[in-house]
Amino acid sequence: QLVVTQSPSASASLGASVKLTCTLSSGHSSYAIAWHQQQPEKGPRYLMKLNSDGSHSKGDGIPDRFSGSSFGAERYLTISSLQSEDEADYYCQTWGTGIHVFGGGTKLTVL
Amino acid sequence: EVQLLESGGGLVQPGGSLRLSCAASGFTFSSYAMSWVRQAPGKGLEWVSGISGSGGSAYHADSVKGRFTISRDNSRNTLYVQMNSLRAEDTAVYYCAKSRGDSSGDHAFEIWGQGTMVTVSS
Repeated sequence: QLVVTQSPSASASLGASVKLTCTLSSGHSSYAIAWHQQQPEKGPRYLMKLNSDGSHSKGDGIPDRFSGSSFGAERYLTISSLQSEDEADYYCQTWGTGIHVFGGGTKLTVL
Repeated sequence: EVQLLESGGGLVQPGGSLRLSCAASGFTFSSYAMSWVRQAPGKGLEWVSGISGSGGSAYHADSVKGRFTISRDNSRNTLYVQMNSLRAEDTAVYYCAKSRGDSSGDHAFEIWGQGTMVTVSS
């Protein structure tokens, strides 16, 4: 069964870096994912598509502070030089034939 | 500018029906798969239904299978979802989302609408 798992919360200080993780279920380590950001009271916003080899395609206007990487079944989103507006929920999404799956989301707090 | 604009949300009684629409602009609508995604109050994102660019293939999450039907009118650049036998647990903001591709298999959601609220309550 295709599942993606995220930690419920993360925190980091203003100006620091943080690395969020999305883990694909067993047998699905070659799957691509997408990262989405949802700021408080707003709709989701596409950040990037991230392939198993670590290559990624960012959305229009996404700052260079946002980057992605991969290792095995894990997909990472790294945000550097954290700003207050980065405080948001971050969701990973993957897909198969006729199905899409979201992780439960990670709530990022910027201290 | 690429844009998705949902409409049709509102308050409906349990067991009732509602049809949501999503008007697309700024891209060749028929070339991309589309989906509906919902978010219950205080909860995460849940994929609901998806449809291929031609409309020939449609898929639904188990939670809505048999009750919701996704469709599209490529001549009107509009995506729909017909929601029947609505339940309290269907209460959510409903978003339409555009995939990066269609037959390419690239289904990352690169464009999102602003959402429309559906409340199922007596």
